[in-house]
Amino acid sequence: DAGVIQSPRHEVTEMGQEVTLRCKPISGHDYLFWYRQTMMRGLELLIYFNNNVPIDDSGMPEDRFSAKMPNASFSTLKIQPSEPRDSAVYFCASSFGTVNYGYTFGSGTRLTVV
Amino acid sequence: AQTVTQSQPEMSVQEAETVTLSCTYDTSESNYYLFWYKQPPSRQMILVIRQEAYKQQNATENRFSVNFQKAAKSFSLKISDSQLGDTAMYFCAFIGLQGAQKLVFGQGTRLTINP
Repeated sequence: DAGVIQSPRHEVTEMGQEVTLRCKPISGHDYLFWYRQTMMRGLELLIYFNNNVPIDDSGMPEDRFSAKMPNASFSTLKIQPSEPRDSAVYFCASSFGTVNYGYTFGSGTRLTVV
Repeated sequence: AQTVTQSQPEMSVQEAETVTLSCTYDTSESNYYLFWYKQPPSRQMILVIRQEAYKQQNATENRFSVNFQKAAKSFSLKISDSQLGDTAMYFCAFIGLQGAQKLVFGQGTRLTINP
């Protein structure tokens, strides 16, 4: 298996622009998670899905952030409009069934908003 | 809410030495899992080792082992015969089995192995 695939690996955008981050989970995994990593706040869970349904979005910082999972093999995290404080590494992770074995992470997207 | 604390922001040892990274956590649950993840400069998050709370035996994976003290809520990682490739950020993480299954991370320890 190719693992969790995220794109793009790097994204530089101007403040106010819309940004879309993409994730393809491991085939057969039924949980998908979006995390944000910053120096100040560490790794924060933004939202997670189970069987394509959003279960907990309490970590989404504000209405500018939205996430979708239209099918079992694809998810997006969108920021509109983007702000410099959104600059971070965004990770997608997936797991199968209960999470006893931890998550498998993608390589992350480094987002820079200038 | 569960919290995970790593009290050592940075550590540095010589190659081939043994190093122990500390982690404590806070939870009211009795059944849960603990993990150590490694994040090298490549940014990839790599699962190093996992521990089931109801198992008293400490987990081991080759040069990596844990010291799990459930009563003290402590979960330290020992790396034996450290190698240059062990240089990375190490994150301790917790997940409870009651309610929402969300992996909660500590702030991380930056480990440098010197030649």
